[in-house]
Amino acid sequence: AQKVTQAQTEISVVEKEDVTLDCVYETRDTTYYLFWYKQPPSGELVFLIRRNSFDEQNEISGRYSWNFQKSTSSFNFTITASQVVDSAVYFCALSDTNTGNQFYFGTGTSLTVIP
Amino acid sequence: EPEVTQTPSHQVTQMGQEVILRCVPISNHLYFYWYRQILGQKVEFLVSFYNNEISEKSEIFDDQFSVERPDGSNFTLKIRSTKLEDSAMYFCASGWGSSYNEQFFGPGTRLTVL
Repeated sequence: AQKVTQAQTEISVVEKEDVTLDCVYETRDTTYYLFWYKQPPSGELVFLIRRNSFDEQNEISGRYSWNFQKSTSSFNFTITASQVVDSAVYFCALSDTNTGNQFYFGTGTSLTVIP
Repeated sequence: EPEVTQTPSHQVTQMGQEVILRCVPISNHLYFYWYRQILGQKVEFLVSFYNNEISEKSEIFDDQFSVERPDGSNFTLKIRSTKLEDSAMYFCASGWGSSYNEQFFGPGTRLTVL
């Protein structure tokens, strides 16, 4: 079975603090993809990153960074120097050969950045 | 930059009525999807569509739902007889290939069933 767990339901940080959003996944497949999406209050889903199971290199994009660890089945997302515009719900998602075309989304983490 | 578009942005309907949600995927994409997000909950897969047929569907996608690609550009989701619990945000997505490529999501249609 495929499953994505985002244990943090809500997080609040003060602007300029760093924050890490956790994502733990379950899959029996050796080939799979992990994704992060941002959902701002306006409701759309904004693609942030895709990572395949064979690439464990951490990635940094501006203030965003991702830490993929297969040993712990985690794909955590860190925002450094958070800004008010980062306030949103963040979803982690998984797809693998068993899921075919569908994505399995986690329940999301609602991040509030306080000015 | 090409994007997935959805209309309407918000639809209000009476229980029992039929609704059609419309999507225009990115033009060179081959795979099309519908997802649903009940307010405050996670995004759930409904159906995927490729080569003019459903390639996969979830348990949510029962006989009340249908999808169609009536022409070369539109991709529609029809709910035959809406129920209160169909109230949700419906996202259309498209992609070039299978699940291994990112899926580009539309802005969503918020469906409210009264």
